[in-house]
Amino acid sequence: DVKVTQSSRYLVKRTGEKVFLECVQDMDHENMFWYRQDPGLGLRLIYFSYDVKMKEKGDIPEGYSVSREKKERFSLILESASTNQTSMYLCASSPPGILRINTEAFFGQGTRLTVV
Amino acid sequence: DAKTTQPPSMDCAEGRAANLPCNHSTISGNEYVYWYRQIHSQGPQYIIHGLKNNETNEMASLIITEDRKSSTLILPHATLRDTAVYYCIVRVDRGSTLGRLYFGRGTQLTVWP
Repeated sequence: DVKVTQSSRYLVKRTGEKVFLECVQDMDHENMFWYRQDPGLGLRLIYFSYDVKMKEKGDIPEGYSVSREKKERFSLILESASTNQTSMYLCASSPPGILRINTEAFFGQGTRLTVV
Repeated sequence: DAKTTQPPSMDCAEGRAANLPCNHSTISGNEYVYWYRQIHSQGPQYIIHGLKNNETNEMASLIITEDRKSSTLILPHATLRDTAVYYCIVRVDRGSTLGRLYFGRGTQLTVWP
């Protein structure tokens, strides 16, 4: 059974803390993504990576950074957490775009982060 | 830029077909249409995808208009467990490696007994 695992379901952090959200996939996928989900706004892409040590900014990268040192792990970093980063964070992975027929993305269960 | 437009909510009687529309009038020729759904407190789940032909799998059918500017997801016999937010998504690929998904705000489908 394929799986994308996020390290925490719920997290509470203080303003100004450095926060690490971890995501691990066991499908040997090249592509990995971080989204945040807020009521009324749907899913918005923060960062994505299509290979180890490669990263690209999504639509809302400000205040975030990422790390992909190994193929199976993609970390989202909040350098100095702020209250407006309180949200649901979703990680996803997928195989490359054109090379395979079924290129669905698999999502983790999400991490609900509250910054106080 | 969500690239897709969906009604915010719909409802359907259990056992009936649920038809969820989506407009994607700016879609390009090589961009796929994907559908995902998200049940409360879970991550999105893949349902189906297509390029220009109609598609069917064990979960649903996808009907894409000939001009590709809109599509309809059909759940043939909706059950209470199909209550979820349904996202119509355009997938953009750069070169041969990337599958970026553009999520809209989705349609909340409520199936009632």
